[in-house]
Amino acid sequence: DTGVSQNPRHKITKRGQNVTFRCDPISEHNRLYWYRQTLGQGPEFLTYFQNEAQLEKSRLLSDRFSAERPKGSFSTLEIQRTEQGDSAMYLCASSLGTGRKETQYFGPGTRLLVL
Amino acid sequence: GDSVTQMEGPVTLSEEAFLTINCTYTATGYPSLFWYVQYPGEGLQLLLKATKADDKGSNKGFEATYRKETTSFHLEKGSVQVSDSAVYFCALSANSGGSNYKLTFGKGTLLTVNP
Repeated sequence: DTGVSQNPRHKITKRGQNVTFRCDPISEHNRLYWYRQTLGQGPEFLTYFQNEAQLEKSRLLSDRFSAERPKGSFSTLEIQRTEQGDSAMYLCASSLGTGRKETQYFGPGTRLLVL
Repeated sequence: GDSVTQMEGPVTLSEEAFLTINCTYTATGYPSLFWYVQYPGEGLQLLLKATKADDKGSNKGFEATYRKETTSFHLEKGSVQVSDSAVYFCALSANSGGSNYKLTFGKGTLLTVNP
């Protein structure tokens, strides 16, 4: 079990640029979640996949954000035309869908700084 | 909507002191409750969980009991160590339809334990 991995760990970009983050979940996990964490706050839900299907998106996820999970394996989160307000830690979590008893396992996160 | 309120930090204790971090919640469904811990420079790790009323979650000397009547899930440890210094997050997951068990987090409590 190698755990959830995320790449890159850190990203600095200029306002207006596009960025893409990758998440590799635990191999047998069918559910994948993205969260965003800003300084001094708890993580906030962004979007959720069951296998390759994106089943829910938060209102936090503006149309500049898009996420995919092709073939139900790794996932990518892309932010287009980045803004300074996008600076945050982006966390990925995966779980084996067992309903209300499921446990989500988190990756180390990608810290984004938009200049 | 769902929400979690936890004790504001920071909390500073001496080694071997007793720890309590309060957590209360509001949920529309029947939630599962979690405590996650984030050590400096690392991702979120599950500390313990409870999935039904009166369940007690425990791990590494930490305990929390699911109290439905008071909608609480307070974290306790009898004797803290320097290595327990971290940020602690209380969280809930509740399904509002479909298969999404997204986590709703509190703001986190920074614990510092001095030798």
